[in-house]
Amino acid sequence: DAKTTQPTSMDCAEGRAANLPCNHSTISGNEYVYWYRQIHSQGPQYIIHGLKNNETNEMASLIITEDRKSSTLILPHATLRDTAVYYCIVRVSGTASKLTFGTGTRLQVTL
Amino acid sequence: NAGVMQNPRHLVRRRGQEARLRCSPMKGHSHVYWYRQLPEEGLKFMVYLQKENIIDESGMPKERFSAEFPKEGPSILRIQQVVRGDSAAYFCASSPPDREVGNTIYFGEGSWLTVV
Repeated sequence: DAKTTQPTSMDCAEGRAANLPCNHSTISGNEYVYWYRQIHSQGPQYIIHGLKNNETNEMASLIITEDRKSSTLILPHATLRDTAVYYCIVRVSGTASKLTFGTGTRLQVTL
Repeated sequence: NAGVMQNPRHLVRRRGQEARLRCSPMKGHSHVYWYRQLPEEGLKFMVYLQKENIIDESGMPKERFSAEFPKEGPSILRIQQVVRGDSAAYFCASSPPDREVGNTIYFGEGSWLTVV
């Protein structure tokens, strides 16, 4: 699976949009981009995934660049409960391959 | 639809005892994964199983650790002769069969093992 690069930490004011970047310049054509988050002392929570088109669900939006070498997770109105470590992971589609977690981005949402 | 269920949530064992952690995947999921998270560290893959088969155990310590996913019942992660360094959170995850393109992996809430 391709390697990803994320900033170590970010801050965001409550109510504002949180934009979390991820670089995956070596991504292959059959690899999806997945985002998970881990709130302290809880299990990782699936947020969203995509292949090449932008995706949106009730939690977030995922913007993937046209060349697929980077993506951005957007939390449109961050709340204190969104404080967590966010992981960007690339994974081959069509097979139940494992997820390989990096160090992620620690997002701190503040008042 | 219940999520991935893990039990026990918290387990205390004395050094040298055995620890057994159980994981029931989501309904319809035939793949199970186990991850370990040491205190203040990241999530590390241990093993990936399908029913009655170990598919990838590249992250499993060579000794004392074993995993199974029988035809009936939950997946079991077994740690024999536990040591203090085994104290960690153990997360189980599950996913649907291979044929689902982009299939998503869902995690349980974890089992916290403390070795005293």
